[in-house]
Order: sequence, then structure tokens, then C-alpha cells
Amino acid sequence: EVQLVQSGAEVKKPGESLKISCKGSGYSFTSYWIGWVRQMPGKGLEWMGIIYPGDSDTRYSPSFQGQVTISADKSISTAYLQWSSLKASDIAMYYCARHGCSGGTCYSDYWGQGTLVTVSS
Amino acid sequence: QSVLTQPPSASGTPGQRVTISCSGSSSNIGSNYVYWYQQLPGTAPKLLISRNNQRPSGVPDRFSGSKSGTSASLAISGLRSEDEADYYCAAWDGSLSGLYVFGTGTKVTVL
Repeated sequence: EVQLVQSGAEVKKPGESLKISCKGSGYSFTSYWIGWVRQMPGKGLEWMGIIYPGDSDTRYSPSFQGQVTISADKSISTAYLQWSSLKASDIAMYYCARHGCSGGTCYSDYWGQGTLVTVSS
Repeated sequence: QSVLTQPPSASGTPGQRVTISCSGSSSNIGSNYVYWYQQLPGTAPKLLISRNNQRPSGVPDRFSGSKSGTSASLAISGLRSEDEADYYCAAWDGSLSGLYVFGTGTKVTVL
């Protein structure tokens, strides 16, 4: 059974750094891309970017390029999303999602349970 | 950031058929598959329809998808109370370096 298990909720102060994680199991972690999706309170889904754990090839949505860093450690089947300096506008639920890609296009099939990030002084 | 447009809400009584539209462009829906996700309250999205009209294992056949040109639709027939959720369409967009784009989302209410 494919499972993506994310790290727990975080409460941080503005300006602090943060790294959240997503551990995959039940499939070959290095054969699928892993992506991150943001959902701000009461809002829709926003695709942030994806990484191929096999070679760490990473693609970002223009809206999130330079704002976050996506990485992965294939030795422990875990992908990460990190911020160097959090802002109040980063308050959201963040989902990781496995992506199947072929012919230059991708889609997400399995999703993690979500990690709620709260930023408050 | 949403480049796929959906109606904000749709509703129906139990047993009715509800249809949700998703409008895009030639760089996304017009040239790539459409996917649909169901997000029940307080839970993560779940893949409902793959490759325009394919149901993943376990998805009831009450859910069906279609695509024509730069638009797509999700139909829910025999509406049930447990179908009350947010629904999102999505597609790969080949503009710029490529990215996955979601629809604006539709809240389905069972009256």
C-alpha cells in the first residue's frame, strides 16, 4: 500500500526557519516524483513544485521559486519542504503528493495527510 | 495562481445528478489529460478521476469525467450525502517550464 506520512504540525515565529518532511513507503521511492501543494486557510490548492528523488532533479512553480526549497533523501525515502525565513503569509496546510510523470507531463495520485504550518509572533 | 476555472458551488438533492465544469486553455486542458480530486472536510485531497475519464480502483462508478477541447466536466450521478466535499480539476500546463495547475475548486452541497 502506497503511503505518504508527513511530519506534525508546526508553530513558528516570523523570520524562523522550518523544514517539514514526507516519508514514502509501499512503492519505489526513487521511481516517482514527489511534489508539494499549499492550501491556505479556506482556499484552494496551489502546486509548489516537484522533485525526483532518484537524481534530485527539481522543478518549481514560478509562484514559489526562491520562496521555498524542495529536497529529498532517497536513503530514507523522505522528501522535504523548507523555508529560510517564515512569514505570516506562509500560514497554510502543506501536502506532499506522489507524482507520476511521463512524456513531459505529471499528475499527482497519492497524497500525504498534510502538515499545518502556523506562523505567529 | 489558478488558471483553471470552476464554479464556486453546486448542489443537488440525494439521487440527483450534479455536473461541475472546468475551463482552461490550449496549454493545459487543451493538450494534456485532466484529473479530478475530491477533498472531504478536514482531509487530504483524493484522486477521483485520472486521464480525463478513468476511475482509480475503489472510486464508485457514480463519478465520471469527460473532456472536450479546453474544457472538462465531472458528473456525479445518484448524489449521496457523503459526496458533500470540495472538488478540484487539475492538468499539466506546458507553458514556461511546465507546472501542474489546479482549478479554483467547487463546493458540492447535498441538500
